[in-house]
Amino acid sequence: DGGITQSPKYLFRKEGQNVTLSCEQNLNHDAMYWYRQDPGQGLRLIYYSQIVNDFQKGDIAEGYSVSREKKESFPLTVTSAQKNPTAFYLCASIVQGGNLDTEAFFGQGTRLTVV
Amino acid sequence: GEDVEQSLFLSVREGDSSVINCTYTDSSSTYLYWYKQEPGAGLQLLTYIFSNMDMKQDQRLTVLLNKKDKHLSLRIADTQTGDSAIYFCAEEAGGGNKLTFGTGTQLKVEL
Repeated sequence: DGGITQSPKYLFRKEGQNVTLSCEQNLNHDAMYWYRQDPGQGLRLIYYSQIVNDFQKGDIAEGYSVSREKKESFPLTVTSAQKNPTAFYLCASIVQGGNLDTEAFFGQGTRLTVV
Repeated sequence: GEDVEQSLFLSVREGDSSVINCTYTDSSSTYLYWYKQEPGAGLQLLTYIFSNMDMKQDQRLTVLLNKKDKHLSLRIADTQTGDSAIYFCAEEAGGGNKLTFGTGTQLKVEL
């Protein structure tokens, strides 16, 4: 079945370490996005990529990095520079439909906890 | 820039109707969406409305859009315990495939 796979579901990291969250999609979508979810703040955009080998910063890119070497994959690295990394991270791929509406397909999320 | 706001909590009794509200600021919005997030899961698209529509109904869901007031609502008829979740509204504006999400409303359905 087509979809978006995020792994792992739960991740623990020690302070000062980098960690990479995986996001893979087999939907053949060009655009992929990373959102961070914190209670009471909704989803905030970290980085997005609209085509392979290209990506742009979102609203809260500081302390994060991404790569888009393949259409199917958009990994997010949370670096030690991110001051408050504990959060729920959602990966999405977004496609424009026949009516020019946009639909976002989300992964199941990764809960990152810094210990 | 875009800003989307929702109230954080809503509690209803099973069988009653739920109304979840959302306000947005960008008048160039083209589509507005409602997503549902169940505990520990990603988001699921529930429904959407084009900005030149006032209302859209889909089974138990009714979306109302007041473009003048930039107000969007989602009504769930005959609310069930399985409707307990966080509901996000999102707007698409300014072209491209970028969505701006609201803060999410936690809906709790009580017996």
